[in-house]
Order: sequence, then C-alpha cells, then structure tokens
Amino acid sequence: NAGVTQTPKFQVLKTGQSMTLQCAQDMNHNSMYWYRQDPGMGLRLIYYSASEGTTDKGEVPNGYNVSRLNKREFSLRLESAAPSQTSVYFCASSDYRDGNTIYFGEGSWLTVV
Amino acid sequence: AQSVTQLGSHVSVSEGALVLLRCNYSSSVPPYLFWYVQYPNQGLQLLLKYTSAATLVKGINGFEAEFKKSETSFHLTKPSAHMSDAAEYFCAVSRLRSGYALNFGKGTSLLVTP
Repeated sequence: NAGVTQTPKFQVLKTGQSMTLQCAQDMNHNSMYWYRQDPGMGLRLIYYSASEGTTDKGEVPNGYNVSRLNKREFSLRLESAAPSQTSVYFCASSDYRDGNTIYFGEGSWLTVV
Repeated sequence: AQSVTQLGSHVSVSEGALVLLRCNYSSSVPPYLFWYVQYPNQGLQLLLKYTSAATLVKGINGFEAEFKKSETSFHLTKPSAHMSDAAEYFCAVSRLRSGYALNFGKGTSLLVTP
C-alpha cells in the first residue's frame, strides 16, 4: 500500500527560486495537510484542505501556496524560496471514515541556500 | 485553542526499564489525543489515539497511554524499553476546526542505553 507519497524527497534551492512539492494519497481521504518540521519546534501546519475544492491557511502559511488538484493530490508551492524555508515538509491525509487518524508521507528535505 | 505540552525534550532510559513520556493538554472541549513516533529520516507513524471510548489506550509495539481528565494528561508508557524504541515521540491534539488537523507538541527524543 502506497498511502501518502511525496516528491521530491530531497531538493536544494537557491534563494529566490520557486518549486512545487507534490503529494498524492491513495486512501480516498477527504482531508489533506502540509506540515513543516524544524528542530525543537515539532510539526507546524502550513495549509490544509478539508475537502476537494477547498484550501485554508494553517499556522505558518506565509511564503507558500497550495493547490488541491483533485481528491488525491495536494501540492505545495514556494514562489520565492528563502533560507527560512529550509525544513522538512510532510504531507498527510485523513478522513472521518477512518476515525480522523492522520497518515503521513515520508517527508521532503528542502534546503534553501 | 487546543494545545499540548511535552515535558522533557530528551529522555534516557536503560534497556528493560520503564518508559514514561509526559504530555499535558489544553482544550476547551473533550479532546482527541494522539501519540506518534518518528524514526530517523522517516515520516510519523501512529502509536495510539484517544477518542473518549476508553481512558486507557493500548497501541502498537507495547505502548499505552492513559487519559486523565483531572490532570489534563495523556502520558505514554511502556513497561520495558527495547533498543528499537529509540526515536522521537510526538503528542498531538485534534483541532476543533482546520479539517481535523493536529496540533503537535515539540517532541521528546527517547534514548535507550544498553
């Protein structure tokens, strides 16, 4: 079972460059999320999509945009990368039919130089 | 707002000893609470969750947690630590809104020594 799949796994960007992190889930979940993880900070919610066609800001949305392309896919875009966006990014999904348990992808390691 | 606080960023135990990782929550309504484990360079894996069905929750790998409303706590325990338990552990509480996203604690790194 694939679960939640993220690409790329590793990426190095120069300041000012743009990129998109891709995420897809095969569990037919309605809700999807993007988190970032930084040392000593736990995981912080960037954006979420409660259902197909909707997206909303989380705790730390500045510098990011998202697209819920369809029920399976939820992408995260950095329009002009900054060193402060160096982090590990996790995509996740959940559904009320599954007790709202959140399932995570393996993570994407992003370095902005 | 729903939040959790994990006491102790690093915990060290000997192999075979009791594991106790502390988590206190703040919530205006009965919370849904979770414990996740993260092994190096991997994603987060669900250990267990509390959804008000029973106060003592059993999870995978021999872990369990007890919901104590009077203490606003949801501590994670395991009777006997294994070397393979060394990992980062996160306590989390479900938001009331935000599509049931989770608010995470800052994590506790568990070290198991021989």
